[in-house]
Amino acid sequence: GAVVSQHPSWVICKSGTSVKIECRSLDFQATTMFWYRQFPKQSLMLMATSNEGSKATYEQGVEKDKFLINHASLTLSTLTVTSAHPEDSSFYICSARSPLQGSSYNEKLFFGSGTQLSVL
Amino acid sequence: LAKTTQPISMDSYEGQEVNITCSHNNIATNDYITWYQQFPSQGPRFIIQGYKTKVTNEVASLFIPADRKSSTLSLPRVSLSDTAVYYCLVMNTGFQKLVFGTGTRLLVSP
Repeated sequence: GAVVSQHPSWVICKSGTSVKIECRSLDFQATTMFWYRQFPKQSLMLMATSNEGSKATYEQGVEKDKFLINHASLTLSTLTVTSAHPEDSSFYICSARSPLQGSSYNEKLFFGSGTQLSVL
Repeated sequence: LAKTTQPISMDSYEGQEVNITCSHNNIATNDYITWYQQFPSQGPRFIIQGYKTKVTNEVASLFIPADRKSSTLSLPRVSLSDTAVYYCLVMNTGFQKLVFGTGTRLLVSP
């Protein structure tokens, strides 16, 4: 199946610094990528939808100036957490929508392995 | 997209068949159902997907009744490694947004 690579797997940073997380679709072109965050024992929460070549669409309550999303190519989207604070510590997961193949009812969403961010 | 409702948790024992039902009462004609599995500190993994009736692959079966207002994920002969959270999602072609529900936390015991 399609592979989505996410890096880094974990990162520890000091409060006030910025952290960049990369999400790559390795064997398909993804015009749309999604970014989620997940707190312990909770479900995934959609943060934003990233479309190649255009501005990301952020969910209500997500600060677009704090969580910068760039989708400059069909295989790469990045999430930058700017001026990180301890409350930004979370598990961040990216996903990419696979292209249609054959039947209309087979689009899939493939996920990266996630990035655990710890802000000290 | 249609909202989904699943049991918060389920318990089972090794070797048993587990059926997790998801309710999606306002599913639209062009929507289809997808199930994902998530282990701690990992991204969700695709399990199975279907539009109607029954779909089977090497790891699971998906049963969707004629009215499509619910679906059941069937895991045959579960093992300890099937302990995970299972999410039911309703998707449609070209979806621009995918919101996860609570998921079902399955615990498989020896």
